[in-house]
Amino acid sequence: GNSVTQMEGPVTLSEEAFLTINCTYTATGYPSLFWYVQYPGEGLQLLLKATKADDKGSNKGFEATYRKETTSFHLEKGSVQVSDSAVYFCALSDRGFQKLVFGTGTRLLVSP
Amino acid sequence: EAEVAQSPRYKITEKSQAVAFWCDPISGHATLYWYRQILGQGPELLVQFQDESVVDDSQLPKDRFSAERLKGVDSTLKIQPAELGDSAMYLCASTLTGTGQETQYFGPGTRLLVL
Repeated sequence: GNSVTQMEGPVTLSEEAFLTINCTYTATGYPSLFWYVQYPGEGLQLLLKATKADDKGSNKGFEATYRKETTSFHLEKGSVQVSDSAVYFCALSDRGFQKLVFGTGTRLLVSP
Repeated sequence: EAEVAQSPRYKITEKSQAVAFWCDPISGHATLYWYRQILGQGPELLVQFQDESVVDDSQLPKDRFSAERLKGVDSTLKIQPAELGDSAMYLCASTLTGTGQETQYFGPGTRLLVL
C-alpha cells in the first residue's frame, strides 16, 4: 500500500539557518504530494503541494520538488524563523478519492 | 475566509461512556473526511463521505465507531463505548469535489481524553 517516511525529529536550528526535512514515499501510480504544518493545539494547514513529477511547490519561503526518480519530496527553507517552529507532515494522495496518507511528522524547533 | 468548524474542542470522558464529535465543512464542499491523530503520529483516515454516502470506512472500528452525514452537509462521529486507546485528536477535513488534486481543508480538531 501507499506509505510516507519522514526523518525523525526534533530538528533543532538557530534562526536564519537552512532547513531540510526529508520525505520519501511508496505509491502505485502517480500520487499528489503535500506538506502540511501543525502549530501547537491547532489543526493542519496546507503549506505546499505538487501534483506531478518535477513540479516545485512553494509557499512562505518553503520549497519542495516532486522527484519521481528518487520518490522524494524534501522540504527546504533558506532561512528559518522562530515562528516556523511547528510539526511538519509529508503526505500523499492517490488520484481516486484523495485519501491522504501521512508520515509521522517532524517537529522543528527554531531558537533565537 | 471560510473554515471547517468542529466541536467540542476538548472532551474528557470515562471509558465505556459514549462521546460524539461534530463537524461542519466549508459551505459547498461535497467531500468530508474524519481522521484520527494519535499523539506523536500522523493522522489516519477513519471515514470519507461523498455528499451523504460513505465511500471509504475501511479503517473505522465499526464495533464501536459510527459516522453519519445525513443531509450531506455537517457530520457526526460517535464512539460507544469509549476505550482508553481512543484518546487522540479527531480531525475533520473537507474538499470541494474529492477528486483530482484538491487541497483538503482541516478544522481545529477535537482532542479526546479517555480516563
